[in-house]
Amino acid sequence: GIQVEQSPPDLILQEGANSTLRCNFSDSVNNLQWFHQNPWGQLINLFYIPSGTKQNGRLSATTVATERYSLLYISSSQTTDSGVYFCAVGTRGIQGAQKLVFGQGTRLTINP
Amino acid sequence: GAGVSQTPSNKVTEKGKYVELRCDPISGHTALYWYRQSLGQGPEFLIYFQGTGAADDSGLPNDRFFAVRPEGSVSTLKIQRTERGDSAVYLCASSFIQGDGYTFGSGTRLTVV
Repeated sequence: GIQVEQSPPDLILQEGANSTLRCNFSDSVNNLQWFHQNPWGQLINLFYIPSGTKQNGRLSATTVATERYSLLYISSSQTTDSGVYFCAVGTRGIQGAQKLVFGQGTRLTINP
Repeated sequence: GAGVSQTPSNKVTEKGKYVELRCDPISGHTALYWYRQSLGQGPEFLIYFQGTGAADDSGLPNDRFFAVRPEGSVSTLKIQRTERGDSAVYLCASSFIQGDGYTFGSGTRLTVV
């Protein structure tokens, strides 16, 4: 099956710093999503981005589908950005299902 | 509802018992997914519903696990003869059938003792 690799596994930064998280995947996909899992375990959808670039406030993401990678950028980090960031890619299964395969995540810690 | 609701939020059960976990998706979302997340891991796919039918149950680990969605809205994940290895956070998500972004619930933390 499709493989998803995220890097780095852990990242510790000071408040105000910028960061880039990377997601590589092994096969063509028609769905790619970035999630933030906060310290309480809630998974929040950040972007649905199978290709192209999107921005939402201090966060932006770029997916280059032909080269099978996606990047998540976080600018001017805040302590509330701490948590685990997951990349998940969609494989079209039975009846067009958008089943997602998750990476292992990048654990981001923002220190005040 | 406004979000995906999962109940209970926590469940402790004895080995060998039967448990049911409930998911109430966002109104209008026809696709519903169950995932399982173990400590330190990313979520793993269990089963997907399109409407009332289980369109893909390839992620269910064995026949002790079963899920239903009888009216195309609320879904129940059922686990028979629970084992300690079933302990995990069970997550439900919903979306429009064409994909777009998933919305996850807060999960049910299942502990089998």
